[in-house]
Amino acid sequence: KAGVTQTPRYLIKTRGQQVTLSCSPISGHRSVSWYQQTPGQGLQFLFEYFSETQRNKGNFPGRFSGRQFSNSRSEMNVSTLELGDSALYLCASSYAGLGRETQYFGPGTRLLVL
Amino acid sequence: AQTVTQSQPEMSVQEAETVTLSCTYDTSESDYYLFWYKQPPSRQMILVIRQEAYKQQNATENRFSVNFQKAAKSFSLKISDSQLGDAAMYFCAYSLGEYGNKLVFGAGTILRVKS
Repeated sequence: KAGVTQTPRYLIKTRGQQVTLSCSPISGHRSVSWYQQTPGQGLQFLFEYFSETQRNKGNFPGRFSGRQFSNSRSEMNVSTLELGDSALYLCASSYAGLGRETQYFGPGTRLLVL
Repeated sequence: AQTVTQSQPEMSVQEAETVTLSCTYDTSESDYYLFWYKQPPSRQMILVIRQEAYKQQNATENRFSVNFQKAAKSFSLKISDSQLGDAAMYFCAYSLGEYGNKLVFGAGTILRVKS
């Protein structure tokens, strides 16, 4: 099976712009979670989608949003970008989104905000 | 609040030697799962090993094993016969058992392997 894929891999934006990142889970996986990784804050959970519904949300401002499509692919959107949004964004998938399952991670999208 | 603490920002080990990475966590839940993930310079997060909290037996995966002390809320990772390819950032993480895939990560430990 193909692994989790994320596009694009690298992105450069300027402050105030918006950005959309995409994540395709492992075939058959219905849960997609998003994480932000920064040197200062480490790895932080953004949100989780299962069957097109957001089921869990981390402590991030409303500028961060996401959605999931019927084929389980997920997108996350960041509006009005700030310098502090520069980070590696990781998505992970699992079959049913149960905590007991292992999450499989994609290679990440590195976002640089100038 | 649920937290995961990795007290060793950086560790070094000689090739073929054994190293132990520490992790403690805090939760009031009884049904949870613990994980060690490895993140090499490529940034790809790779599962190393997992432990179910309800199991008393420590998990083992080839050269990797854990020392799970539930009462102490401690979950350390032992790497035996260290190899150059083990050099990476290691993250300890935990998740609750039921629905809602949300991993809580520690700050990570950089492992350097010397030849």
